[in-house]
Amino acid sequence: NAGVTQTPKFRVLKTGQSMTLLCAQDMNHEYMYWYRQDPGMGLRLIHYSVGEGTTAKGEVPDGYNVSRLKKQNFLLGLESAAPSQTSVYFCASSTSVRPEQFFGPGTRLTVL
Amino acid sequence: AQTVTQSQPEMSVQEAETVTLSCTYDTSENNYYLFWYKQPPSRQMILVIRQEAYKQQNATENRFSVNFQKAAKSFSLKISDSQLGDTAMYFCAFRKPGANNLFFGTGTRLTVIP
Repeated sequence: NAGVTQTPKFRVLKTGQSMTLLCAQDMNHEYMYWYRQDPGMGLRLIHYSVGEGTTAKGEVPDGYNVSRLKKQNFLLGLESAAPSQTSVYFCASSTSVRPEQFFGPGTRLTVL
Repeated sequence: AQTVTQSQPEMSVQEAETVTLSCTYDTSENNYYLFWYKQPPSRQMILVIRQEAYKQQNATENRFSVNFQKAAKSFSLKISDSQLGDTAMYFCAFRKPGANNLFFGTGTRLTVIP
């Protein structure tokens, strides 16, 4: 049981490049989330999904897109990366009945 | 919007001693959930403890316990018998029932000194 995994762990992009972060969970959780963590701040919600084929905006959605084609996977896309998107990105999942969220190990993204 | 405040950016404690991390929050809700998460240098976010607002009894998980003061909107974490492995960032978080967002504080960096 791996829990929540994220790929890749580190990435460096140039401004304007695109990339996709992959999150996978093997706990059969209905809900999945993408957060970003910036220095001196707590985590902030980017997008979330309450089920396969559904997504919704969180607190800081601009510049990101997401897709959830399979229940166990949640993808975060950056179409045209900007230096302001340099951050650590966390994926999380939860059931629909319990409030706690379980986090992946994070992806450190640097945009030059 | 909910706000979560952790007023102690850094703290330190001697190994085997007890330390308390503070958290206050602002909400107009009557029912909600509060959490403490630990983030060690590995960066992994680990759930430490959870408290439901409707429960008067303070949550306890082994060496970790909370002091939940609903009227004061305070949720502190007490770590007893501190161990070197407790060295980490600790985040307080808030969630409303039915909501999808966890609102996090800015964290407290705890160092356990041998």
